[in-house]
Amino acid sequence: KAGVTQTPRYLIKTRGQQVTLSCSPISGHRSVSWYQQTPGQGLQFLFEYFSETQRNKGNFPGRFSGRQFSNSRSEMNVSTLELGDSALYLCASSLTSGFSSDTQYFGPGTRLTVL
Amino acid sequence: KQEVTQIPAALSVPEGENLVLNCSFTDSAIYNLQWFRQDPGKGLTSLLLIQSSQREQTSGRLNASLDKSSGRSTLYIAASQPGDSATYLCAVRLTGNQFYFGTGTSLTVIP
Repeated sequence: KAGVTQTPRYLIKTRGQQVTLSCSPISGHRSVSWYQQTPGQGLQFLFEYFSETQRNKGNFPGRFSGRQFSNSRSEMNVSTLELGDSALYLCASSLTSGFSSDTQYFGPGTRLTVL
Repeated sequence: KQEVTQIPAALSVPEGENLVLNCSFTDSAIYNLQWFRQDPGKGLTSLLLIQSSQREQTSGRLNASLDKSSGRSTLYIAASQPGDSATYLCAVRLTGNQFYFGTGTSLTVIP
């Protein structure tokens, strides 16, 4: 079974631009979560989508948004990019959203650099 | 707000040694706790998941324990190998699928 895939793997943007990242979960998984990883803040939760609905949201500004499609693929969008948005963006998928036995499986990440 | 701390931040051991990584969390109302490893520039690989009702889980040379009441978990690695060198992260899950990650322990196993 294929793992979680993220595209693109690397991205370079300039301040003020917007960016869209994509995540395809493991087949059959309906929950997709997004995380931002930086050297200073570590891994921080952005949001989770389940059955096309946002279930949970972390403490990030409204410039960060996402959506999930009927095939469970998810996209994350960051508008008006700032230098501090440079990070590794990881997506994780799991079967459901709410069972304690659920394991999260992570993709390889998208490395975003904002110049 | 849930805070997750991992000690030590970095650890260097000779090959073959047994070692323990520590994880502590402030809110004991967790659904589960998961240990991951991350290799440089890569995503996270799940190692072990302990449900809130469980005390420990084992997989090969790895054993993870959970003490919810004291807000602690440990990851025990037996007979360490150079291939175990990576950053180890613990994550606690509260409602839904919101995880709070620890700061990580960077492990180096010296041949």
